[in-house]
Amino acid sequence: GEDVEQSLFLSVREGDSSVINCTYTDSSSTYLYWYKQEPGAGLQLLTYIFSNMDMKQDQRLTVLLNKKDKHLSLRIADTQTGDSAIYFCAEKGRGNTDKLIFGTGTRLQVFP
Amino acid sequence: GAGVSQSPSNKVTEKGKDVELRCDPISGHTALYWYRQSLGQGLEFLIYFQGNSAPDKSGLPSDRFSAERTGGSVSTLTIQRTQQEDSAVYLCASSPFGGDTRRNIQYFGAGTRLSVL
Repeated sequence: GEDVEQSLFLSVREGDSSVINCTYTDSSSTYLYWYKQEPGAGLQLLTYIFSNMDMKQDQRLTVLLNKKDKHLSLRIADTQTGDSAIYFCAEKGRGNTDKLIFGTGTRLQVFP
Repeated sequence: GAGVSQSPSNKVTEKGKDVELRCDPISGHTALYWYRQSLGQGLEFLIYFQGNSAPDKSGLPSDRFSAERTGGSVSTLTIQRTQQEDSAVYLCASSPFGGDTRRNIQYFGAGTRLSVL
């Protein structure tokens, strides 16, 4: 079935790098996404990667995609306290649907 | 408005009552989605609209749940005879595109927090 998995928690010190990992199941996924959710807010798209890419960099964010292992990661450089939030990876559902299948979310806590 | 707007932001209701949740997508977006976020189930898809039709309603948990979209814009999610397990945050998203090969970037509203007592 469709299943996207993430670790639940990550704690880092301010200024360090954070790496959030995700595994997905659908090898035919064309796009994979990272969303951020701050307390009481909706989901904000951070970045996405097309499946023919191995890496995408956008300022402090680096996305790595390993299609063979169906593994996606998000690296945040120079993590700040404002980065504390829940991070969701998502893949597009199978078949003729535009729904997104979300991971369980990783709660990132940044300590000063 | 610039973003996806949902109302109400909070709704408290009694078990057995019906509730309606509203979503105003970003102007011009043809696709609209409803998701539910709850502690036990995470973030789960409910239904997807392309224009006024719903090609995928596979995530609706029971026949107490229904949704409609009119004029290719506003959507209403209705829950009849609410149960305590319906308590969750209901999120709406819209996208300018549809189709299975497009980027399908979905823009989310802040959600409606539903509490069923």
